[in-house]
Amino acid sequence: KNQVEQSPQSLIILEGKNCTLQCNYTVSPFSNLRWYKQDTGRGPVSLTIMTFSENTKSNGRYTATLDADTKQSSLHITASQLSDSASYICVVTLPPRYKLSFGAGTTVTVRA
Amino acid sequence: KAGVTQTPRYLIKTRGQQVTLSCSPISGHRSVSWYQQTPGQGLQFLFEYFSETQRNKGNFPGRFSGRQFSNSRSEMNVSTLELGDSALYLCASSLAAGTTYEQYFGPGTRLTVT
Repeated sequence: KNQVEQSPQSLIILEGKNCTLQCNYTVSPFSNLRWYKQDTGRGPVSLTIMTFSENTKSNGRYTATLDADTKQSSLHITASQLSDSASYICVVTLPPRYKLSFGAGTTVTVRA
Repeated sequence: KAGVTQTPRYLIKTRGQQVTLSCSPISGHRSVSWYQQTPGQGLQFLFEYFSETQRNKGNFPGRFSGRQFSNSRSEMNVSTLELGDSALYLCASSLAAGTTYEQYFGPGTRLTVT
């Protein structure tokens, strides 16, 4: 069973609307939790990095939150733009050897 | 500053052959990590190199190997290719080893095994 589960698998939203992506993990503690954005045909780009003790981290219209008690993280996209259409991947880094555990990703499609 | 570059961008090989992929990190970055991405398995970590030494390794068979040169450039080799090795191979560089450092990904090499 994957240690990082993302939901939904895909979603479609209208331009200008907000959306929230979920990441549930079973491992604890961890070194950090990251959210990546990956455009089709390109490598992932880091959006946010949070340590175990952080609750929220923002990067422009992207805000990630972390609840260590429920082992959940979410990525909120505000006022979506067409360029937000991409796959969003949640990654948890486990100590001590920095083993990486990846979620399967959520594909977001923004329509005009 | 130039980003991470990977060559070649696309590659078609036959089962049983071997392949070598190359990655040039961002100038000043000394750590290079390799990942395999497939539609079925998603992103999977292959290995990480720092200062010419393998620091971390994922759960891949020994057919997958890599190395890093003194200029931090890295190569990844896959021997005896199988159809299941068809994937996007991504390389990421960071200032130092360990994922507390920001990782910057290259565009990837699309490998197709026929």
